[in-house]
Amino acid sequence: GAGVSQSPSNKVTEKGKDVELRCDPISGHTALYWYRQSLGQGLEFLIYFQGNSAPDKSGLPSDRFSAERTGGSVSTLTIQRTQQEDSAVYLCASRLYTGELFFGEGSRLTVL
Amino acid sequence: AQSVTQPDIHITVSEGASLELRCNYSYGATPYLFWYVQSPGQGLQLLLKYFSGDTLVQGIKGFEAEFKRSQSSFNLRKPSVHWSDAAEYFCAVGSSGGSYIPTFGRGTSLIVHP
Repeated sequence: GAGVSQSPSNKVTEKGKDVELRCDPISGHTALYWYRQSLGQGLEFLIYFQGNSAPDKSGLPSDRFSAERTGGSVSTLTIQRTQQEDSAVYLCASRLYTGELFFGEGSRLTVL
Repeated sequence: AQSVTQPDIHITVSEGASLELRCNYSYGATPYLFWYVQSPGQGLQLLLKYFSGDTLVQGIKGFEAEFKRSQSSFNLRKPSVHWSDAAEYFCAVGSSGGSYIPTFGRGTSLIVHP
């Protein structure tokens, strides 16, 4: 695609429910990142996929968070048993060879 | 570990005035440096980047930034601000080796008065 696509753009859920956020990166980009942006905060790294290598999960805040990338393309970030502190904008980005990341518009998650 | 500091949470300028947003980084080797802009409800858009070479880099929308190794800084400048420049600005640093995971500052919110 022309850019990084994320869905849903907005998600409201109840505490304790599971949510899935999807990211479709730029075609051909081998690296894919998930970041979290909380109100008034910068970007917090969550997880990084590079080619066929094992993902770098060092930023995941708890075992309720997981992500997968299928076929080296689309990625899904899953949050189980959501908590109110999970409310944030979840940003996906992809990268080809150079250092800059290309971001999607984000998925805004609100946990009631 | 790499880190980025943007000391100004908010900056207010008048339209037509010059602008400088500060960014300081911490990284042991030569960093990759970036400035991104985020308008409300949007993702981040790359303004400019520094990898190596000329320490003064030009970006889109009339922005420029200067890499100063001695000061560990990468400040963003614009000679004349337009009302449409009002947005959140993020500085980021990426490592030139190892697992490539860019680190972002907390952002500076730019307010432009008419």
